Order: sequence, then structure tokens, then C-alpha cells
Amino acid sequence: DGGITQSPKYLFRKEGQNVTLSCEQNLNHDAMYWYRQDPGQGLRLIYYSQIVNDFQKGDIAEGYSVSREKKESFPLTVTSAQKNPTAFYLCASSLIRPANTGELFFGEGSRLTVL
Amino acid sequence: GESVGLHLPTLSVQEGDNSIINCAYSNSASDYFIWYKQESGKGPQFIIDIRSNMDKRQGQRVTVLLNKTVKHLSLQIAATQPGDSAVYFCAGNGYNNNDMRFGAGTRLTVKP
Repeated sequence: DGGITQSPKYLFRKEGQNVTLSCEQNLNHDAMYWYRQDPGQGLRLIYYSQIVNDFQKGDIAEGYSVSREKKESFPLTVTSAQKNPTAFYLCASSLIRPANTGELFFGEGSRLTVL
Repeated sequence: GESVGLHLPTLSVQEGDNSIINCAYSNSASDYFIWYKQESGKGPQFIIDIRSNMDKRQGQRVTVLLNKTVKHLSLQIAATQPGDSAVYFCAGNGYNNNDMRFGAGTRLTVKP
């Protein structure tokens, strides 16, 4: 089946540690995204990438890093510089607008808890 | 700055009634909008989208209305069912075609 897969689903981290969240898609989408969701709030854009080896900061990129070495993969590293990393992280992918519909396809999310 | 937001954080409706969820945006450059439904602990699911060259689009039991003059869009759900209970988000692109920003969400509760 085509889809977008995030792992791990749940992750616990000690303060001061970096952690990497995986996101893989087999939809042949050019664009990939990372969002953060806090309880009772909307999704905030961390980073997005429209093409391999290129990515742009979203609204809350500080304390996060990404790479896009392959079209299928867009891992997110939550660094120790992120002051409040406990959150639900959502990865998404889409075709490129405006030539195509910009519908985002989401993974099931990764819930990160810092102890 | 740019933002996409919602007027009400919660909405409660009786089963069978119609629901209307509203959303405001501030970026005049936004030309593409999507409504998503999110159930607890899951990723958002696409409901319907609309481009700025349209003011109305209909799907199955859902209609999205776009008013560019006042930068407002709404999602109408006809004959709301218990399975429609979820959080609904509107999203719009920023200054780039592909940087989608989301509002805070409206929690819809359907009473039997």
C-alpha cells in the first residue's frame, strides 16, 4: 500500500539528549513536512522540503534539524536546544503546487515525551 | 504576520443537524485552503479543498465556502453524525505555494 510511515509511535527522552524521528513515504511525493502539535492546539510548521537536498524553515524551526537526502525520507532531529520538546509530531507529504493538488497526506504521528 | 485561525474552539450539535465551522486567515497571498478532520491520537485526514478562484465547493455531505473579501472560509457538514465528532482544522498556504499553515482547530461534538 502507498502511504506515509512515522516511527517510533512513542518515544521517551532524557533532557539534554538529541532524538531523531523517522518519516518515510512511498507516494512519490516531492514535498514533505514536519508539524508539531501541542494539546488543544493546531499544527505548527517546523520544516518543509519541496525537493531532495533542499528544505526551508517553518514557523518554529529553532531547536530542530532535518535532512532530505532521499525523496522518500525526511527525518527530524529534536536537539537538546529545543526548550520544550514534549509534543505530538506529525509528518506529511504532498505533490507540488500549483501544478498539482496540494493535499497533505499525514502519518500517524510520533509522541515524544521528555522526562 | 500570516495566520490561519478559527472563531470558536468548540461546537456542539444535535445528531442530524447541520454544522458550520468557521475559519479566518490573514495572508492575502493565500490561494489554496484545505479542511482536515483529526480524531484523537491520529493524523489529520483530508476532507475537502478549495482554490481561491472558487467561492464554493461541495463534497459528500460537506461544503466549503470561501470569502476572499473578508478572508474567511467555512466548512458546512450536512446531517451531522456521531462519527463526525472530531477536531476540524483549516489550513492555507503561506507566501510559498507549498507551506501550509494550520489554524488552532474546532472540536465538534455530536450529541445523539
